[in-house]
Formats: sequence, structure tokens, C-alpha cells
Amino acid sequence: KNEVEQSPQNLTAQEGEFITINCSYSVGISALHWLQQHPGGGIVSLFMLSSGKKKHGRLIATINIQEKHSSLHITASHPRDSAVYICAVPQETSGSRLTFGEGTQLTVNP
Amino acid sequence: GAGVSQSPSNKVTEKGKDVELRCDPISGHTALYWYRQSLGQGLEFLIYFQGNSAPDKSGLPSDRFSAERTGGSVSTLTIQRTQQEDSAVYLCASRGSSYNEQFFGPGTRLTVL
Repeated sequence: KNEVEQSPQNLTAQEGEFITINCSYSVGISALHWLQQHPGGGIVSLFMLSSGKKKHGRLIATINIQEKHSSLHITASHPRDSAVYICAVPQETSGSRLTFGEGTQLTVNP
Repeated sequence: GAGVSQSPSNKVTEKGKDVELRCDPISGHTALYWYRQSLGQGLEFLIYFQGNSAPDKSGLPSDRFSAERTGGSVSTLTIQRTQQEDSAVYLCASRGSSYNEQFFGPGTRLTVL
């Protein structure tokens, strides 16, 4: 069964700073998800990636399959980016049920 | 509808009562998942439906929990004889085909008094 570790658990930044959140997992996977959870609990899928890098606006996600590691970057951070960011991977190599990291609480101060 | 919807958005119930939570997946999505997020905890898998196959119930925490998916679309998660530890946000997600991303609903916040 896959184990997922995220770091840091909590992150406070000033508006405009470059943010990096890391995710490591233990079992080879087909794809990794980055999710965003705002206060109130709603979850939005940010990225699903299986190799290389994806970019959406100020968000960039990278994955290194060999090292079983992914990073989520936020450029020019803004207070509205404040949320919990969650990494998720399949529980087993070939499955689609997800197992989730504990999440990173990001607070961006103006 | 454009996304996954869930109802109710909030549910407060008394210990021992039964509750039903509903999920409407994205039209045409064959896979549907239920997850739970207890206060201060990470998300955990509960149950997974894929097409007409028997559901994967391996994540259900007790036999008080059950779920069904009628007509391959709408799903209902039922919790019988609710306990205070059942208080959590219950999230539903749907997926179109293998390796496609899961789309999450807004969740139902359940509070058991």
C-alpha cells in the first residue's frame, strides 16, 4: 500500500513569494494528483500528472517518477492562494483508489 | 450540470439516527468514489463503484456504513445509527475513464450531536 508524505505541514508566506510544497510516495504509480481545499471543505483538482511538468497559470507541478517525488510550485503567491494543498496517489500500483497526504496548510499574508 | 454535486451541504443529526448522503456524478462518468475527512485528519477512501462491477467496499469503517449506486449514476451513502465519531466531511468524486482525474464534489459536512 502506498504511503504519502507531504512537507511542510504548514507554510506561511508573504504575498509575492515563490512557494514550494513537496510530496513523496512509496509505491510506483500511474499518476499523481494535486488537490486544493479551501476553508469550508470543498476540494478542487489542480493537476493530475504522470511525468514531467504541468503549468496552469501561476501553478506548476513537477514529478520525478524514478525518485517517487512531486512538487507543487506557486509563483507570485497571493492571499487567495491560502488553502490546504493535498497530494494524492493510487493506493496500489494499478488501482485508482486514492491515498492522500496529510496536506499542507498554506497561508499567504498581504 | 458541469460538476459533481452533493446534498445536503450540511447535516446535523442526533446520535443513533440514520442519515443519507447523496452524490450526483458528472454525466457519463463510470467511476464514483466516496471519501471521508474527519476533523484534523486526512482524507480516507470509503467505497468505489466502477460501472456494473461489484463495488469496492474495503474502506468502509463499519457495517453501519453502506452505499449504493442506482442506474450507474446517482449514489447514496447511508450511515445507520450514527455515532459522534462519524462527524466528518464526506466527499464524492467521479472519474470518466482509466487514468483520468477524479472530479470532487463540494462535500457534505455531517455533525453528529
